[in-house]
Amino acid sequence: DAMVIQNPRYQVTQFGKPVTLSCSQTLNHNVMYWYQQKSSQAPKLLFHYYDKDFNNEADTPDNFQSRRPNTSFCFLDIRSPGLGDAAMYLCATSRDRTETQYFGPGTRLLVL
Amino acid sequence: QKEVEQDPGPLSVPEGAIVSLNCTYSNSAFQYFMWYRQYSRKGPELLMYTYSSGNKEDGRFTAQVDKSSKYISLFIRDSQPSDSATYLCAMRGGTSYGKLTFGQGTILTVHP
Repeated sequence: DAMVIQNPRYQVTQFGKPVTLSCSQTLNHNVMYWYQQKSSQAPKLLFHYYDKDFNNEADTPDNFQSRRPNTSFCFLDIRSPGLGDAAMYLCATSRDRTETQYFGPGTRLLVL
Repeated sequence: QKEVEQDPGPLSVPEGAIVSLNCTYSNSAFQYFMWYRQYSRKGPELLMYTYSSGNKEDGRFTAQVDKSSKYISLFIRDSQPSDSATYLCAMRGGTSYGKLTFGQGTILTVHP
């Protein structure tokens, strides 16, 4: 089945230790998004790629970076995680920017 | 003031009840309205998608949009225990590049 896959599902890291979260998709969609969802809060868009074009949200901290080496994969890098970065990180894809977004299962990040 | 307000609940109803979930919003540019369902430890799954004002029905689910009041609703008829999840409203503007603004979600439990 075509889908959005996120690895790992759970990630524990230490304060200040860089961490990378992975997203892959078999839908061949042009757009890939990263959202941050803290406990009992709304998902918040961090950035998205339209093909190779990176689009950062104005309020996304510099600590968060992303890479998209090819159509199928997108990575979220957190350079120096703080305790406040503990959250669920959701990857989503869509065929075009105006079309339905399909979400992966998320990666739950814990920062110790 | 948040752009999208959603009563977080939790909401607990008996099986077979009619459930009403609501969101209000402040941005008059929003034109596309969605409801996502999120099971525990899973990513959001699109339930309903509507454009502008009006009603849309799909099985036991009905979505209503009232742009004049900046108010959207999701009704679930004959609710089932399998409907127990967090329900997120989401919306975007007509010219936006796909950025969804979410409500914080309503936790629904349907007990047998």
